[in-house]
Amino acid sequence: DAGITQSPRHKVTETGTPVTLRCHQTENHRYMYWYRQDPGHGLRLIHYSYGVKDTDKGEVSDGYSVSRSKTEDFLLTLESATSSQTSVYFCAISDTSGGADTQYFGPGTRLTVL
Amino acid sequence: GDSVTQMEGPVTLSEEAFLTINCTYTATGYPSLFWYVQYPGEGLQLLLKATKADDKGSNKGFEATYRKETTSFHLEKGSVQVSDSAVYFCALSDRPGKVTFGTGTKLQVIP
Repeated sequence: DAGITQSPRHKVTETGTPVTLRCHQTENHRYMYWYRQDPGHGLRLIHYSYGVKDTDKGEVSDGYSVSRSKTEDFLLTLESATSSQTSVYFCAISDTSGGADTQYFGPGTRLTVL
Repeated sequence: GDSVTQMEGPVTLSEEAFLTINCTYTATGYPSLFWYVQYPGEGLQLLLKATKADDKGSNKGFEATYRKETTSFHLEKGSVQVSDSAVYFCALSDRPGKVTFGTGTKLQVIP
């Protein structure tokens, strides 16, 4: 196991409420990612981080923000949740040794926005 | 930009059948190529990878060869088992922080 945990694993919330998802790693890897997975869309990158306080947007970043104050933690925040953000969210870390970005995924968080 | 195209699923096979899942890619550089597998209710797991042309990645009886001339990385297994039922994702990465995934191919193996 790559030592990645996500919390919570399941969450139901209401439209308009803020939600924060947490990803924690024990591997001390520099890169961390947040993806969402939806039927018919595969995996889509929301945001990623390449170091403490260093983050960048992915292809579906609207409505999401992230923070990384420690190497081991990467937080994803939905400032005001909408039903379109109902999805399964995966955190990943990557081992970039050898030049290849090999990713290791957490178990996922299933978020339902009513 | 980079892209990965893999065959539509679902793919349904009988146990012990031969498996091929096609994957082709478009990239500007010389990417590394990956296959990931996702079992129900879990996150993706690395299945195999290849980092340069003509490399063959292999794991758990699965194989894929990096074909630069055809920009392909097809996944094969000689004899599938029920336990191989999962969703398979082809992916490429040409630099740290940049990974492009295909949309996934669902495999169902029936006894």
